Amino acid sequence: GQNIDQPTEMTATEGAIVQINCTYQTSGFNGLFWYQQHAGEAPTFLSYNVLDGLEEKGRFSSFLSRSKGYSYLLLKELQMKDSASYLCAVMDVGAGSYQLTFGKGTKLSVIP
Amino acid sequence: IAGITQAPTSQILAAGRRMTLRCTQDMRHNAMYWYRQDLGLGLRLIHYSNTAGTTGKGEVPDGYSVSRANTDDFPLTLASAVPSQTSVYFCASTVEYPGTEAFFGQGTRLTVV
Repeated sequence: GQNIDQPTEMTATEGAIVQINCTYQTSGFNGLFWYQQHAGEAPTFLSYNVLDGLEEKGRFSSFLSRSKGYSYLLLKELQMKDSASYLCAVMDVGAGSYQLTFGKGTKLSVIP
Repeated sequence: IAGITQAPTSQILAAGRRMTLRCTQDMRHNAMYWYRQDLGLGLRLIHYSNTAGTTGKGEVPDGYSVSRANTDDFPLTLASAVPSQTSVYFCASTVEYPGTEAFFGQGTRLTVV
């Protein structure tokens, strides 16, 4: 199984940079995903890491260290519309099946 | 428009009744998932299917059943609904193997009274 931890809530100022951390424990790691979810909506894909290192996509970057079971999502030049929950998810492959398991999510509030 | 469709979008259900939540995708994705999302608990996996004809249990399978007769459809059934099954249910799908993003349906808000 998996154990995925991320902070429950964070607050940051418009225009600033925020880092959301995620730690995980899994037996058959096969990739880590970050999703964004606005209130009342479905999650939408942000990034995917399977190898160690940093993946950059516009204002969003995601980092992975497999040896440490650690990832973070970096959001730059924060905008009010970035207020949402950010979900860390791990793909676990084992016994011929694969499951996508989510952490509880981090609610980010961007303030003026 | 390609994607995942869930039905109904919301439902109020009397306890003890049977209910099937529908999920259909037209992307020919092999893997499909059902999650429930509750405040403070995040998205929890109920059941999954890696390919048509196979299903597996997730973290919270009790009280739910699924079937995968074909690639496109993955219905979730509550045989006898209980109030603790009040939640928002999301269906998701991915291409045949890990490493690709999961696409989500718009969700079904279910209230069991």
